[in-house]
Amino acid sequence: EAGVAQSPRYKIIEKRQSVAFWCNPISGHATLYWYQQILGQGPKLLIQFQNNGVVDDSQLPKDRFSAERLKGVDSTLKIQPAKLEDSAVYLCASSLSPDKETQYFGPGTRLLVL
Amino acid sequence: LAKTTQPISMDSYEGQEVNITCSHNNIATNDYITWYQQFPSQGPRFIIQGYKTKVTNEVASLFIPADRKSSTLSLPRVSLSDTAVYYCLVGDRGYSTLTFGKGTMLLVSP
Repeated sequence: EAGVAQSPRYKIIEKRQSVAFWCNPISGHATLYWYQQILGQGPKLLIQFQNNGVVDDSQLPKDRFSAERLKGVDSTLKIQPAKLEDSAVYLCASSLSPDKETQYFGPGTRLLVL
Repeated sequence: LAKTTQPISMDSYEGQEVNITCSHNNIATNDYITWYQQFPSQGPRFIIQGYKTKVTNEVASLFIPADRKSSTLSLPRVSLSDTAVYYCLVGDRGYSTLTFGKGTMLLVSP
């Protein structure tokens, strides 16, 4: 079974630039999550999708971050414009359902904002 | 949301049993306890989940006392490859958000 795919794996940009991350969840997984993990901290949930609908985006900085999952499969997370404090690893995870028994995480995208 | 407290770091040697305790004093009736493992440059990986008493799988055991205010992840006979950060999470199985703390950095030495 293929795991959660993410791209790119690494990205370096300058502040005020835009960046987008892509995630393809495990086939058949209805629930998709985006997390931000700052160095030395645990992952923080940014947004949760159930199919193509948003379940929880309470911690998403909506003035600069946006995410979509238009067809209920893959998803894109965008930052526009980026700030220095956005430097982090962005993790995508998926699960069969909102049941939190098992979330499967991708390898993450490491973002450095200069 | 139930808050969790776990040691920042632990050290062990190969072949030893490691027990990592997590405190969750305000755990709710519907909450489950879940542990994840994270290696450097990888996403977290599910280890085990339980509600009460004891749960065991091929990787670890999870001990939960009757009051459920704490839990202990037990890793039998650790190896160098068990060096990782271990996260304890508490939440229900519905639409509530799982919250990761800082986790416990386990260092296994030869």
